[in-house]
Amino acid sequence: DAKTTQPTSMDCAEGRAANLPCNHSTISGNEYVYWYRQIHSQGPQYIIHGLKNNETNEMASLIITEDRKSSTLILPHATLRDTAVYYCIVRVAGNNDMRFGAGTRLTVKP
Amino acid sequence: DTEVTQTPKHLVMGMTNKKSLKCEQHMGHRAMYWYKQKAKKPPELMFVYSYEKLSINESVPSRFSPECPNSSLLNLHLHALQPEDSALYLCASSQGAGEAWSGFFGPGTRLTVL
Repeated sequence: DAKTTQPTSMDCAEGRAANLPCNHSTISGNEYVYWYRQIHSQGPQYIIHGLKNNETNEMASLIITEDRKSSTLILPHATLRDTAVYYCIVRVAGNNDMRFGAGTRLTVKP
Repeated sequence: DTEVTQTPKHLVMGMTNKKSLKCEQHMGHRAMYWYKQKAKKPPELMFVYSYEKLSINESVPSRFSPECPNSSLLNLHLHALQPEDSALYLCASSQGAGEAWSGFFGPGTRLTVL
């Protein structure tokens, strides 16, 4: 069973914020939310992760709802190089079982 | 050194050949992974090694044989593959168990089986 649900595809205008949603309604208390992206034919790249608090790093922000059933990855000023497939993954801390769902294909347009 | 290297970048092999994919990391990570990715699909987990012991095997056919000779090196031995095994093979490593799994992926080996 899929642990996460993401839109199949999204478009975003260059320079605007890209908001990528993820639904994880069956998340457990000890599961973290991770985001990765994969640019065409490259290996996936780690973006950010969080448990319950909102997180920000140099690449993105992660907003997790209070009930933890959904989250949003925010790329504040999308560029053409952010065009990629974005994967939202839930994972138990201490578990090496890292599995990918279908992901969202984000296209940033000029 | 914060990267995972994979060799070769591309591999073409016949169904009767024996070949190996190699993955290396020098970040002191104690977990290493093999994934298979078909075109326009997400990566599929194949094997996980934790502290040099096989901890996850996703019912992968025996024509794929993983090996972890030491904590820095991971191999995938290939024998009698089928054309449908053609895919991008990704290796990843992480610090091992724990919250901070910001795993690093290699660029992949693109395998074509003729």
